[in-house]
Amino acid sequence: EAGVAQSPRYKIIEKRQSVAFWCNPISGHATLYWYQQILGQGPKLLIQFQNNGVVDDSQLPKDRFSAERLKGVDSTLKIQPAKLEDSAVYLCASSSLRGGKGNTIYFGEGSWLTVV
Amino acid sequence: DAKTTQPPSMDCAEGRAANLPCNHSTISGNEYVYWYRQIHSQGPQYIIHGLKNNETNEMASLIITEDRKSSTLILPHATLRDTAVYYCIVRVALGGTSYGKLTFGQGTILTVHP
Repeated sequence: EAGVAQSPRYKIIEKRQSVAFWCNPISGHATLYWYQQILGQGPKLLIQFQNNGVVDDSQLPKDRFSAERLKGVDSTLKIQPAKLEDSAVYLCASSSLRGGKGNTIYFGEGSWLTVV
Repeated sequence: DAKTTQPPSMDCAEGRAANLPCNHSTISGNEYVYWYRQIHSQGPQYIIHGLKNNETNEMASLIITEDRKSSTLILPHATLRDTAVYYCIVRVALGGTSYGKLTFGQGTILTVHP
């Protein structure tokens, strides 16, 4: 079974530039998450989708971050304009709506962003 | 969600059992204990989860105390590749097939040495 796919793996941009990250969840997974992980810290949830609707975006800095999941499958996370403090790993994760172990959340390898 | 407390770091000799403790004294009856680990430069990897009974899978065992206020993740025969940050997370079951989010803390850095 293919895992959660993310791209690009690494990105370096200058502050005030924009960047976009793409995520393809595990096939059939209705729920998709974007996490931000700053070096030395645990991942922090930015936004959660169920199908193409937003369930939780309470920690998404909406003045500069946006995310969409138009057809309920792939998702894009955009940062515009980027700040130095946005340097982090952006993790995409997905889970199904089935109960028990079917609700386990699986993570991708992450997209490493450095803002200079 | 209930908070968890883990030691910041632990060491273990290769081939020995690694026992990682977690305190979750404010856990509620509908909250599960999840364990994930994160190896350097990779995304978090699911290990195991449980509600109140002990659980075992091919990766590890999870021992939850009877009062559910603490748990221990056991890696029975640690290898160098088990060196990682281990996260203990409490996750609420909202009803049906709906669960709350995973809220990560700082985790425990486990170092397995030869």
